[in-house]
Amino acid sequence: EADIYQTPRYLVIGTGKKITLECSQTMGHDKMYWYQQDPGMELHLIHYSYGVNSTEKGDLSSESTVSRIRTEHFPLTLESARPSHTSQYLCASSELGSGGNGYTFGSGTRLTVV
Amino acid sequence: GEDVEQSLFLSVREGDSSVINCTYTDSSSTYLYWYKQEPGAGLQLLTYIFSNMDMKQDQRLTVLLNKKDKHLSLRIADTQTGDSAIYFCAESPGGSQGNLIFGKGTKLSVKP
Repeated sequence: EADIYQTPRYLVIGTGKKITLECSQTMGHDKMYWYQQDPGMELHLIHYSYGVNSTEKGDLSSESTVSRIRTEHFPLTLESARPSHTSQYLCASSELGSGGNGYTFGSGTRLTVV
Repeated sequence: GEDVEQSLFLSVREGDSSVINCTYTDSSSTYLYWYKQEPGAGLQLLTYIFSNMDMKQDQRLTVLLNKKDKHLSLRIADTQTGDSAIYFCAESPGGSQGNLIFGKGTKLSVKP
């Protein structure tokens, strides 16, 4: 049973459009993350947050932005979508310490920019 | 820097055992994880091992940890077609702002 929700699951959008990918979790986790996943499987961390009003850039440079106004909500926005943004986007959350629970992942949003 | 390496593909026959291997670099990692990703889905935590353990068994899954060689393995006994997925190894290094470091994933194919 998912405690972290991503919407939409699939999105096809034209070049130049602004889009927001939604991510919400009900576990009260402080840390949240956005990953971009290659067709070849590798995960790239693009943004993360330690808590409300905290946002950090990840290992992979991204043209997207994020916000964390509420603990449970961590949306990702692309101001002007391009075909190079076509990818699978995965949201995750965790407690502040890594611990044995690791990360909980959402089901992902598959974005196609045409 | 921190890195997690794993082979990209593994193919086995149904009923055989599968062994997926992983090496990591940060000896201060306290937890090591195995995640499973089925097609079109997110990652699901399969199991984890604390760094002071050598082995952990959970039903068909056995995790072996060799801290000296920084080597982690996941053995799936009696592999089924439903085990076909991508398996990610991850470490929790002391640095990296507490973020997990993931391997690139091993795609397991189970042939009937």
